[in-house]
Amino acid sequence: DIQMTQSPSSLSVSVGDRVTITCRASQTINRYLNWYQHKPGKAPKLLIDAASNLQSGVPSRFSGSGSGTDFTLTISSLQPEDFATYYCQQSYSTPRTFGQGTKVEIK
Amino acid sequence: QVQLQESGPGLVKPSQTLSLTCSVSGGSISSGAYYWTWFRQPAGKGLEWIGRIYTSGSTYYNPSLNSRVTISLDTSKNQFSLNLYSVTAADTAVYYCAREDDYKGGADFWGQGTLVTVSS
Repeated sequence: DIQMTQSPSSLSVSVGDRVTITCRASQTINRYLNWYQHKPGKAPKLLIDAASNLQSGVPSRFSGSGSGTDFTLTISSLQPEDFATYYCQQSYSTPRTFGQGTKVEIK
Repeated sequence: QVQLQESGPGLVKPSQTLSLTCSVSGGSISSGAYYWTWFRQPAGKGLEWIGRIYTSGSTYYNPSLNSRVTISLDTSKNQFSLNLYSVTAADTAVYYCAREDDYKGGADFWGQGTLVTVSS
């Protein structure tokens, strides 16, 4: 299985801050990398697929980059509704695997 | 807009079978290049991919579940189902059904999730 490692595991930030979350794969996954936002009691929401392809309806303050083994999710200016846990997931091979998550909390 | 909804017992006894159904509306499960997938999340832990079934009926399961899982399609009801056999307390989790895009790879539509507790 491909191991996905996210960092940091948690972030304490303020509204308006720039947030960067990194994800590293244990082997190359080209650009088969997805980012999800997960809020308590809700379904995970796909934000970005193919490393940088923003899903329809997702605000442009979210962006993704990277290829191979190293990837980044950036939120340019954090809004109140962005406090959540973020997961990366590889879709290069099965079984699909996730990073352990990054919890973005209010400072 | 595709919508998914999980249903099934919220409590299962140890060693028994966990059975969940996902009802799909807004699209046919037998058309398009999509996988119909199950995920789960134990309390306080991350997301785990359980397995999936293609529109053709072919399946793939997470080897970590040691062959305890089957996923099936019921095209007449536009539903797909999960059976997890010989459950233990470690299988207690919120279970989600979702649609995975074959080309893009991400799961773009999800159910709201259902909590299943394994306890006697």
